[in-house]
Amino acid sequence: EVQLMESGGGLIQPGGSLRLSCAAFGFTVSGTYMTWVRQAPGKGLEWVSIIYSGDSTFYGDSVKGRFTISRDNYKNTVNLQMDSLRAEDTAMYYCARQVYSSGYYYDYWGQGTLVTVSS
Amino acid sequence: QSVLTQPPSVSAAPGQKVTISCSGSTSNIGNNYVSWYQHVPGTAPKLLIYDTNKRPSGIPDRFSGSKSATSATLGITGLQTGDEADYYCGTWDSSLSAGHVFGGGTKLTVL
Repeated sequence: EVQLMESGGGLIQPGGSLRLSCAAFGFTVSGTYMTWVRQAPGKGLEWVSIIYSGDSTFYGDSVKGRFTISRDNYKNTVNLQMDSLRAEDTAMYYCARQVYSSGYYYDYWGQGTLVTVSS
Repeated sequence: QSVLTQPPSVSAAPGQKVTISCSGSTSNIGNNYVSWYQHVPGTAPKLLIYDTNKRPSGIPDRFSGSKSATSATLGITGLQTGDEADYYCGTWDSSLSAGHVFGGGTKLTVL
């Protein structure tokens, strides 16, 4: 059974750093497109970052230069290093597996980990 | 401000039908496939529709998707109280650097 489980969220001061991890079960993250999506309080979903099967990475404009996505094939995890955190980064962070048929979509999601940026 | 526009809320009685719209542009919905997700706060979002009108295994045929020009629609028939959730549309946007966009979400209330 495919499952995703995020961890690493918490309360952090503005300017601080946090590292989120997404553990995958039932498939290997190697060779898989993996994504982070976030939801700020009272807001909709916002795409954050993706790592492709060839380890190419892309970021949303709001986090570019501050967040880094990576993959650990040995641990079967995908990580999101978040630096220079801002209050507006406060959100529930979800990891999701992106797949492609005729179009791209996310077939499995985790339950999320909450990041709160506040002094 | 989300790239894709959804109504904030819809409501209907059990057993009735409801539709949720998702409006975009030629750079996203107009030239790409759409997916839909059901999200009950505190749980993992769930894929309902992919490739605009296809249902994953396990999703009942009460859920359907369609598209016309730059708008997509999620239809739910035979509403059940368990359908109460937030619903999001998503698609690729060729005008952005990396591309995937979502709607702002629609809260479905089953009265």
